[in-house]
Amino acid sequence: AQSVTQLDSQVPVFEEAPVELRCNYSSSVSVYLFWYVQYPNQGLQLLLKYLSGSTLVESINGFEAEFNKSQTSFHLRKPSVHISDTAEYFCAVSDLDSGAGSYQLTFGKGTKLSVIP
Amino acid sequence: EAQVTQNPRYLITVTGKKLTVTCSQNMNHEYMSWYRQDPGLGLRQIYYSMNVEVTDKGDVPEGYKVSRKEKRNFPLILESPSPNQTSLYFCASARRLATEAFFGQGTRLTVV
Repeated sequence: AQSVTQLDSQVPVFEEAPVELRCNYSSSVSVYLFWYVQYPNQGLQLLLKYLSGSTLVESINGFEAEFNKSQTSFHLRKPSVHISDTAEYFCAVSDLDSGAGSYQLTFGKGTKLSVIP
Repeated sequence: EAQVTQNPRYLITVTGKKLTVTCSQNMNHEYMSWYRQDPGLGLRQIYYSMNVEVTDKGDVPEGYKVSRKEKRNFPLILESPSPNQTSLYFCASARRLATEAFFGQGTRLTVV
């Protein structure tokens, strides 16, 4: 069974400072990796994803994440955060169990990013 | 507009009174799923469905039922709700092969 660990439950950071939100996963098969963002009182929105190819993926609002297979990590980074980035961020992993034909998307417990003016 | 629609958004009910939370998607996705979100626990999968008439348990299925009679709809049924099912519920859909999941706006359920 796959699992996702987000090492920090809360991350406070000053505006315009860099930030890294950490995510590690465990899975015995090839995986697809996602970061979702949840703004207050809203549903989850996809921020970025890794399916295959380049291990560095970027979002349209300046976030990036790097897939590291040897360390089973998919950390999220942004070089300069804004107040509007205050939200909860979820790392998620899915794999295709081709033998059973099942498909599950497993989430970490989330990291609350608070940007301080 | 591509979307996942859940109803109701807010619901307060009493212990033991059956309820249904509806979920509908307009993207012709094969995969649909229900999650509950609790503070400090993240999102936990309740049930998922790979296609019409194909459903399977997630991590926390106890006390819930689902059905998938049509591709677009995936209702969540609580036959006898209890206070420990007070939570924020999300429905999601995706194309079958591990693409991104689209989420509804959530249903905040309180069982008293």
